[in-house]
Formats: sequence, C-alpha cells, structure tokens
Amino acid sequence: EDKVVQSPLSLVVHEGDTVTLNCSYEVTNFRSLLWYKQEKKAPTFLFMLTSSGIEKKSGRLSSILDKKELFSILNITATQTGDSAIYLCAVEDNTDKLIFGTGTRLQVFP
Amino acid sequence: NAGVMQNPRHLVRRRGQEARLRCSPMKGHSHVYWYRQLPEEGLKFMVYLQKENIIDESGMPKERFSAEFPKEGPSILRIQQVVRGDSAAYFCASSPSLGNGYTFGSGTRLTVV
Repeated sequence: EDKVVQSPLSLVVHEGDTVTLNCSYEVTNFRSLLWYKQEKKAPTFLFMLTSSGIEKKSGRLSSILDKKELFSILNITATQTGDSAIYLCAVEDNTDKLIFGTGTRLQVFP
Repeated sequence: NAGVMQNPRHLVRRRGQEARLRCSPMKGHSHVYWYRQLPEEGLKFMVYLQKENIIDESGMPKERFSAEFPKEGPSILRIQQVVRGDSAAYFCASSPSLGNGYTFGSGTRLTVV
C-alpha cells in the first residue's frame, strides 16, 4: 500500500531558529512530491518536486527531493511566528491522486 | 478569480440526516477531487471527477457516500444517514488538467451530533 510518512509529528521552536521537516514515501507510481502549508483553512501550495537533487527555494523556504532514497526535506530558515502551521507532504501518483502524510505541526514562539 | 469555493464552511447534522457539500472549482478547471481529513490524520483521497464523469472513486466508502459533478453547477459530495464517524473536514481541490497542480478550497467542516 502506498504511504507517505512525515517526521517529526510536532515541532516547537523560537523565532529565528532553522527547522528541517522530513518526508519519506513508498509510492508505486511516483509522479511528483508536493509540500503544502495548512493553517486554519485550505492547504496552500509551497513546492512541487519531480527531479532529484534540484533545490527549490522561495524566500526562507527551500526543499529538495531524493528519488533514490525516497525522501524529501523542507527547510525553513530564520523562522517567524507566521510560519506556525501544519506542513503537509503529498506524493502524486500517475492516476492523479495525492497521497498525504499526516503532517508536521510547527509552532514558532517569539 | 475566486479560487475553489466550498460551502458551507461549517455543517452540523444529527445522526441519520443527509449532508450535502458543494464545491465550485476555479474557472477553467475541469478536474475536481474530494479529500477527507479526520482529526489528527492526513488528508485522504476520496474521489476524482470530471464533468459528468466519475474517474476514480477508489477512496469512497462503499455505502452512504456519493459524488457528482454535473455539466452545470458545482460538484456535490453527498453523505446519507450520517454517523458520528463522518465528522471531518472535507476538502475539494481542482486542477485544469492532469499533472498541472491542484488548488484547494477552504474545506467544509462536518460535525455529526
């Protein structure tokens, strides 16, 4: 059965810290891996990764995929309280479905 | 562009009633997906529809749940004879075509009392 596992489940840090969120997967027909940020509303798109070793960056956030070891990491540098959210990792298969992990809950305190 | 619109935002139903959840995809998007998020769990795929067609319903419970995406109007997720275990957040996502990303709606939080 396809699965996506995220770690840690929960993370509490102070503003300014750097965090690394992990996502490993076992999905038969991998097409891409996506990261989302979920606050109280809709998951909002962060990154889509399809190729190994190519880092994607958006401001203080960056992500990279390793298709050989079947994992991805999401880095957030100089965290701010506005980064507090649940970060979701999902793998898209070739039937266009997303298989989600349970998420990492990040809390950033001032 | 208003994004993916879901309504209602919150829905409370008594056990045994019917719940109807609506999703209007983004303009130009013809692919609609429904996901369910149970408390403390990740989003789980339920069904994938295109206009007037169910493409993949492998994540739908076998009974009481149905979905449609008519030629005109929003996609509807219908849950008959709701039970407490149906309490969850139901998210809709839309996409313009295969492999071109998804935009999620804000979800409908269903509470069964």
